[in-house]
Order: sequence, then C-alpha cells, then structure tokens
Amino acid sequence: DAGVIQSPRHEVTEMGQEVTLRCKPISGHDYLFWYRQTMMRGLELLIYFNNNVPIDDSGMPEDRFSAKMPNASFSTLKIQPSEPRDSAVYFCASSHSGNPDTQYFGPGTRLTVL
Amino acid sequence: GESVGLHLPTLSVQEGDNSIINCAYSNSASDYFIWYKQESGKGPQFIIDIRSNMDKRQGQRVTVLLNKTVKHLSLQIAATQPGDSAVYFCAVYAGGTSYGKLTFGQGTILTVHP
Repeated sequence: DAGVIQSPRHEVTEMGQEVTLRCKPISGHDYLFWYRQTMMRGLELLIYFNNNVPIDDSGMPEDRFSAKMPNASFSTLKIQPSEPRDSAVYFCASSHSGNPDTQYFGPGTRLTVL
Repeated sequence: GESVGLHLPTLSVQEGDNSIINCAYSNSASDYFIWYKQESGKGPQFIIDIRSNMDKRQGQRVTVLLNKTVKHLSLQIAATQPGDSAVYFCAVYAGGTSYGKLTFGQGTILTVHP
C-alpha cells in the first residue's frame, strides 16, 4: 500500500493568499484526520471525517479554515486568507473502522506564510 | 479535559543501551494508548499500542508498560540503535463521545550515540 499521500510537501505563500492542502488516505480506510503540528502547541487535531462526513471540527482554529472530503479517496484543507501564524506542518492521517484508533500518518505539508 | 505529558523531554543514550520513555496521562477513563515515532521531516509512525485491560505488551525490541493506578505509560526500547533516534509521542484515546480523538503528548527526543 502507498500509505497516506499528501501534497504539496512544501508550500510557501504570502499573507492573504488562499492555501489548499490535499490528502489521499490509505485505500479502504474510512476515517480521515487533519492535524497541525507546531513547536509551541505540538500535534493538534483539527477535524476528522468518517465515511466522508465531518464528525468533529472543534479543533478548527477559525472560520478561515475549512475542510472537505468529496469522496473516500480525497480530502482538502483550505486556509483563506492565510496568516503568518498558520505556518506549521499539516498532517493527514487515516484509519479503518476495524481499528479506528490506530491512525496512519502521511508525510505532512510544511506551510510557510510570509 | 485530557492532558498528556512526558516526564523527560530529551533522552540521550549509547548504542546498545536500553531506552525508557515515559508518559503520564490525566484521564482515568482513557482506554487505548499508542506510541508513535517521528523522524525528522516525516509523519508520526505507529510503533505499538496497548488497551487498558493489559499491563504489558511486547513488540519487536519494544515493550509498552501501562500502570493505570498512577496513570503512567512507558515505552522500552531494547538494544537501542542509531536508527531509533527520533521524537517519540504517546497518544491517548479517552473513548466515549471523544471517539476518534487522540490526545498527543509533547514528545521526547531520543538521541542514540554510536
């Protein structure tokens, strides 16, 4: 299996621009999670989906952040407009209902907002 | 709310030594625990897990010990190798309505000297 795939791996943008991060979960996994990792706050869960439906978005920092999962093999996390404090590594993880708590992480997208 | 912490933020060992990484959690209702390894520039990688009905679980060169009385979790790595150098996170799932939400500890940096 290819594992969780994320793109881009690195993104540098200017404040105010829209940023879209992409994730392809492991085939057959029906849970998808978006995390943000910073030195100050560690790993934070932003939102997670089950069968393409958002279950808990309480970790989404503000309305500038939105996430979608149009089908079982694709999800996006969008930040509009971006701000320098959004700079972080964003991880996508997936798991399957047979063992939903064991999450497998992608390589992450390192976002820098100037 | 749940909080997960680590006793030692850094650990430096010699190759061949055994390593012990500790984690404390606060929610006595926590029923599933996972250790992740994160190498530089990569996403967290699943190492081993344990359910609350167990005290010990062994994998290849790794052992996880769970002490529910004092809400403490440890990861033991036998014959530590330079390739074990990474940041190690414990993650806790509290069950109930927080299904799918893992709380991650701050992480311990393990450095293995040849």
